[in-house]
Amino acid sequence: EVQLVESGGGLVQPGGSLRLSCAASGFTFSSYDMHWVRQLTGKGLEWVSAIGTAGDTYYPGSVKGRFTISRENAKNSLYLQMNSLRAGDTAVYYCARASQSSSGWDFDYWGQGTLVTVSS
Amino acid sequence: DIQMTQSPSSLSASVGDRVTITCRASQSISTYLNWYQQKPGKAPKLLIYAASSLQSGVPSRFSGSGSGTDFTLTISSLQPEDFATYYCQQTYSMPPITFGQGTRLEIK
Repeated sequence: EVQLVESGGGLVQPGGSLRLSCAASGFTFSSYDMHWVRQLTGKGLEWVSAIGTAGDTYYPGSVKGRFTISRENAKNSLYLQMNSLRAGDTAVYYCARASQSSSGWDFDYWGQGTLVTVSS
Repeated sequence: DIQMTQSPSSLSASVGDRVTITCRASQSISTYLNWYQQKPGKAPKLLIYAASSLQSGVPSRFSGSGSGTDFTLTISSLQPEDFATYYCQQTYSMPPITFGQGTRLEIK
């Protein structure tokens, strides 16, 4: 059974840092691209970052230069290092597995999410 | 960035109704379009990928269609467990991957 379990969320002050983790099991982690997606309270979904199987990384402009995605295949783990956090980064953060289809990728498995609150 | 616009933003319907949700891309995305269902407090769940392919385990009352800029998600006969929020997502051009703003489906 595929499982993704996030951890590391919590309360942090503006300007602070936090590192999220996502523990994967039930599939060959090293063979899949992985993503982070966030959801502000009561709002929609926002893509945060992606990492390919070769370690290539991608970010939207809103977090580029502040967030760093990484993976440790030996530990079946995905990470998101978040620096210079702002109130607007307050959200539930999900990790998701990307599966490739005939038309791009889809996120076929998601974790349960971890809440990050940025507040003084 | 490719903008994804869903309509309507919210919708009231009854059990047994046929429901259609629309997603429009700001430029052509071929069939690089996925649909997700999200219930309160839960992670999104993949329903449809590549515009019209049904994800394994998803009931056949869900279907997707479209290509280019206009896409639809149809639920042929609403069931009580279908009341949720639905999102479209494009993966044609990244970064960034973008989602629609969501369509909240409520019980009438």
